[in-house]
Amino acid sequence: AQRVTQPEKLLSVFKGAPVELKCNYSYSGSPELFWYVQYSRQRLQLLLRHISRESIKGFTADLNKGETSFHLKKPFAQEEDSAMYYCALSGQHQAGTALIFGKGTTLSVSS
Amino acid sequence: DAGVTQSPTHLIKTRGQHVTLRCSPISGHKSVSWYQQVLGQGPQFIFQYYEKEERGRGNFPDRFSARQFPNYSSELNVNALLLGDSALYLCASSDRDRGNTEAFFGQGTRLTVV
Repeated sequence: AQRVTQPEKLLSVFKGAPVELKCNYSYSGSPELFWYVQYSRQRLQLLLRHISRESIKGFTADLNKGETSFHLKKPFAQEEDSAMYYCALSGQHQAGTALIFGKGTTLSVSS
Repeated sequence: DAGVTQSPTHLIKTRGQHVTLRCSPISGHKSVSWYQQVLGQGPQFIFQYYEKEERGRGNFPDRFSARQFPNYSSELNVNALLLGDSALYLCASSDRDRGNTEAFFGQGTRLTVV
């Protein structure tokens, strides 16, 4: 079964602390993995995807096929990082819009 | 470009009624998908359309249907509404023709069934 698991509902950290949002997936083929972010009163938007291997707003995520994980990391959290974060996967044949989402993790960064 | 637009933004319906939600994708995007987001959960995939054909369907009952028009806009229809259909309905479009797998989301339609 295709599934995305985000074990933490809420993650609270202080400004400047490292952040790791966990994501594990279950998929029988070769999925494409994404992190989406939703800031307060804004629409859901793509943060990064594993195939581009880029760092956005200081966030990185490495696909670990052995552990079926795609954890999101940032070395120093900022208050503006406070948002809801969703991990998602897509089967390669579905071109990315048929996404399976996790339940999301709320990141709260305080000073 | 205003991005993906959805209408209406809010809607209140009574149990048993039907509802039609509308979505206009980003200009040039031919792929549209629909999601249901219940409070406290991640978006759940309902349908994907590409070039006016259904290309994927999630685990939703037949009360849910959709279509895509020649201009690539899309409608989601839900019949015989249940209280449990109350949710935020999201539409997303992508530029699949260029191999771009990024999904761009609309602001959603908040449906309340009473």
